[in-house]
Amino acid sequence: DGGITQSPKYLFRKEGQNVTLSCEQNLNHDAMYWYRQDPGQGLRLIYYSQIVNDFQKGDIAEGYSVSREKKESFPLTVTSAQKNPTAFYLCASSRTIEGEQFFGPGTRLTVL
Amino acid sequence: AQSVSQHNHHVILSEAASLELGCNYSYGGTVNLFWYVQYPGQHLQLLLKYFSGDPLVKGIKGFEAEFIKSKFSFNLRKPSVQWSDTAEYFCAVNNGNQGGKLIFGQGTELSVKP
Repeated sequence: DGGITQSPKYLFRKEGQNVTLSCEQNLNHDAMYWYRQDPGQGLRLIYYSQIVNDFQKGDIAEGYSVSREKKESFPLTVTSAQKNPTAFYLCASSRTIEGEQFFGPGTRLTVL
Repeated sequence: AQSVSQHNHHVILSEAASLELGCNYSYGGTVNLFWYVQYPGQHLQLLLKYFSGDPLVKGIKGFEAEFIKSKFSFNLRKPSVQWSDTAEYFCAVNNGNQGGKLIFGQGTELSVKP
């Protein structure tokens, strides 16, 4: 069953802690993305990766970090430097950077 | 910077009414255009896309969209909505100069009354 998985579905963390969100795809896609979704603001791009071992900052990268050591995995770390981390985080992938993006189910992060 | 604007934040319709959701973008070059839908509690999924060719694009579930280059628009339409169309709809645009980055509109929440 091909697709994108994100874990966990819900995540709670205390202020000042780093937390890592998982994203895995078995679609054999080269490109992967992380978005943040806030009510009334649509989706905003945090980081994207066109190919393994390469990634670029999106529009709101401050306070976040990523790695792309394997084609199928693109974890996102929300650091303590992110001022407003409570949000819904969506991971996506596409066969090429210009192509249709497929989305995972999302992780809702709440900072207490 | 490139931007995408969706004019309606919340639309409320009765079943069988016609739907048109507006989408305008700011980039003047070659673009790829998308409409995504997010049903309550479900993944964001693609409704339809335009890359080139016929500017009237048909998607899933009876949706269609028309690309009007002169108006920088890609409005979504459906002749007769159903209660099951209740969802949030996002317009998105990308182009080669942006490295393929998708720029999303703010989203339009559609509520269909049975």
